[in-house]
Amino acid sequence: EAGVVQSPRYKIIEKKQPVAFWCNPISGHNTLYWYRQNLGQGPELLIRYENEEAVDDSQLPKDRFSAERLKGVDSTLKIQPAELGDSAVYLCASSLNGILYEQYFGPGTRLTVT
Amino acid sequence: DAKTTQPTSMDCAEGRAANLPCNHSTISGNEYVYWYRQIHSQGPQYIIHGLKNNETNEMASLIITEDRKSSTLILPHATLRDTAVYYCIAPNKLIFGTGTLLAVQP
Repeated sequence: EAGVVQSPRYKIIEKKQPVAFWCNPISGHNTLYWYRQNLGQGPELLIRYENEEAVDDSQLPKDRFSAERLKGVDSTLKIQPAELGDSAVYLCASSLNGILYEQYFGPGTRLTVT
Repeated sequence: DAKTTQPTSMDCAEGRAANLPCNHSTISGNEYVYWYRQIHSQGPQYIIHGLKNNETNEMASLIITEDRKSSTLILPHATLRDTAVYYCIAPNKLIFGTGTLLAVQP
């Protein structure tokens, strides 16, 4: 069974440029999570979806970050414009009905903003 | 929000038991404690979770104190592949914290 797929794996952009990350969750998983992980820190939840609905986006910096999960499957996380402090690994995870012991993470996208 | 506290790093000899502590004194009565680990350059991986009773699975054992203010993850026979950052989390806000870097030494 395929795991959580993320692309790209690496991205280098200049500040003020836009960037987008894509995530394809495990088939059948209705809960999707986006996390940000700064160097030396644990993952920080940005947004959680139940199907198409964002049920927890309290940690998402809404002035520059946006996310969508239009058909309740794939999801895209966007940053516009990017800032130097956005350099981090962006992790996507999915689970069935929000069950944490069945939460599986993708490999992440490493973003470097120069 | 519940917060967890873990030592920054620990060493363990290969083949010995690794005991990783976590303090979660503010956890609510019905809130499970979850443990994940993250091997370098990979996403976190679920290990085990528990509420009150001790738990064991094929990866590890979890000992939770009676007052639920702390827990210990036990890897009974650590191998070099167990070198990773281990996180204990209270799932209410999915706060991972900084975790414990376990270095298994040959």
